[in-house]
Amino acid sequence: NAGVTQTPKFQVLKTGQSMTLQCAQDMNHEYMSWYRQDPGMGLRLIHYSVGAGITDQGEVPNGYNVSRSTTEDFPLRLLSAAPSQTSVYFCASSNLGQGANGELFFGEGSRLTVL
Amino acid sequence: AQTVTQSQPEMSVQEAETVTLSCTYDTSESNYYLFWYKQPPSRQMILVIRQEAYKQQNATENRFSVNFQKAAKSFSLKISDSQLGDTAMYFCAFMKLGDNFGNEKLTFGTGTRLTIIP
Repeated sequence: NAGVTQTPKFQVLKTGQSMTLQCAQDMNHEYMSWYRQDPGMGLRLIHYSVGAGITDQGEVPNGYNVSRSTTEDFPLRLLSAAPSQTSVYFCASSNLGQGANGELFFGEGSRLTVL
Repeated sequence: AQTVTQSQPEMSVQEAETVTLSCTYDTSESNYYLFWYKQPPSRQMILVIRQEAYKQQNATENRFSVNFQKAAKSFSLKISDSQLGDTAMYFCAFMKLGDNFGNEKLTFGTGTRLTIIP
């Protein structure tokens, strides 16, 4: 019963380094998304996708890149890490369309520290 | 743009007591969903309860219930007979319904950290 799987769970980067956070879901969900969680700010949407080949920006997209080549996978890329990107990142997925109830299924989170 | 306000950053309550978490939201939309999500320490966020705005009846899920006041734009969560496992961060969320159902339009509050005291 995997659900949404995120890797890695913890990562420390130096300013300017690049990395990719992986997200995979096995529920055949059309919708996938990335959030960042910062103290006192709740969860903010970075990027989202409503299907393979389709991505769009959320509230805080700058400094992040995504792609959706398959239904299952939705990686998040940091091209040149900055200390302001220190955060906990969550991947979430859901069904869409008729019959969907809006429930998001979350991964366990990835804690990223940029020095 | 929608905003969601949770005015209680932290709360604590004795085990077996009842606690109410507050949430207010601001929107001009008439068709939307409201959610409470629970984030236990070091664990995945999960859905606690959901309310459709067009329904007048308050949603309930076992010990969890909501008080949905549409005119007042208020959506509080009541936890009855609180248990140690209820210790978590609780997020209120608003979702405007759109062409793709609306997940991309989900707005979260800043959360309330609830501690259940043995």
